[in-house]
Amino acid sequence: QVHLQESGPGLVKPSGTLSLTCAVSGGSISSTNWWTWVRQPPGKGLEWIGEIYQSGNSNYNPSLKSRVTMSVDKSRNQFSLRLSSVTAADTAVYYCASRPPLNWFDPWGQGTLVTVSS
Amino acid sequence: QSALTQPASVSGSPGQSITISCTGSSSDVGSYNLVSWYQQHPGTAPKLMLYEVTKRPSGVSSRFSGSKSGNTASLTISGLQAEDEADYHCCSYGGFSTWVFGGGTKLTVL
Repeated sequence: QVHLQESGPGLVKPSGTLSLTCAVSGGSISSTNWWTWVRQPPGKGLEWIGEIYQSGNSNYNPSLKSRVTMSVDKSRNQFSLRLSSVTAADTAVYYCASRPPLNWFDPWGQGTLVTVSS
Repeated sequence: QSALTQPASVSGSPGQSITISCTGSSSDVGSYNLVSWYQQHPGTAPKLMLYEVTKRPSGVSSRFSGSKSGNTASLTISGLQAEDEADYHCCSYGGFSTWVFGGGTKLTVL
């Protein structure tokens, strides 16, 4: 059974770059899954950030596309998110998740809180 | 790409049934039978409860059911139990390889 675990700095300065990694265990990142990032601002709903395939092909939320970069590291069985030019509005719990070659998100990582503040 | 619209909160008594709506547009909910629902207890990650509008993953109670009409999908929980108290999020394929979530609904079991 696939297990996902997010890691990265919990505090990022405004105008800086948020960088997170999601480690995949119990399965291969080279499977047919799409690897996804979703965020949740405090007290608010979920927002799909984007997804990446093992090949490096990616799809991003149009509202974030100009600031988002995702990558896959097959040697470490992990994938990453970079979000540039962050502001306080980017403060959220960031989740990584798996999307099988079907149409749902499962499983999810436990989430990691990233706060944007000076 | 706008977020799907869900009621902020719903409530019901144990044993009752409740329905949570999820309204999108003809570009997302209305065009694809690719709506999924997630349950989220405080401080935990979302859990898949329904996919492709009506289908339940293995292990999810049959008390959870889904439907769709036009641009609105719905989640119904029958025989409400205390453990059902949580936030519920809908999600739809938005076309052009994108996905869109709703704002979430807080379910209170009275």
